Amino acid sequence: GQNIDQPTEMTATEGAIVQINCTYQTSGFNGLFWYQQHAGEAPTFLSYNVLDGLEEKGRFSSFLSRSKGYSYLLLKELQMKDSASYLCAVQWVPSGAGSYQLTFGKGTKLSVIP
Amino acid sequence: DTEVTQTPKHLVMGMTNKKSLKCEQHMGHRAMYWYKQKAKKPPELMFVYSYEKLSINESVPSRFSPECPNSSLLNLHLHALQPEDSALYLCASSHGRGSGVYFGAGTRLSVL
Repeated sequence: GQNIDQPTEMTATEGAIVQINCTYQTSGFNGLFWYQQHAGEAPTFLSYNVLDGLEEKGRFSSFLSRSKGYSYLLLKELQMKDSASYLCAVQWVPSGAGSYQLTFGKGTKLSVIP
Repeated sequence: DTEVTQTPKHLVMGMTNKKSLKCEQHMGHRAMYWYKQKAKKPPELMFVYSYEKLSINESVPSRFSPECPNSSLLNLHLHALQPEDSALYLCASSHGRGSGVYFGAGTRLSVL
């Protein structure tokens, strides 16, 4: 099975930087996604890492180390609207299956305070 | 355009009803997914269609029946559901390997 671990909750101050970590153990690993989800809404795609290293997209960056089974999402210049759940998701191919599957971690609820 | 459209947005049904959830994407994605999400839990995979063929069924009860009429459409037929099936049902699509997986806004289902 897939084992994906991320902190349950985090709190950070407006304007600051926060790093949300994700560790995973999986077979057939193909890539790692980060999603943002506000309460009652669908997940919004933030980033996708398939190779080791840092991917930067505006205020959001995501890092992957495949050998360590580790990723993080970095949010800079935090805004109140960044308060949401952040979901780490692993894309993998089940043995014998012809398509990719996406399995989510439990999510990290980020609260941004003034 | 990364839009995945789901209808209806909300659905209330009784345990004897038959209803269908619909999902549409025009991004040329060849993989489409159904996920179920309960409150304060992550999305859980139900079905994967790849090139219009069912490739993964995560041991979902037969009261949920997926259908992929063509490469742009994905349906989920519901029959004889239970109250515990009340959840947010999410459709997603992707090109496959090396591309993003994009979610629709979801259908919030309540079974009475």
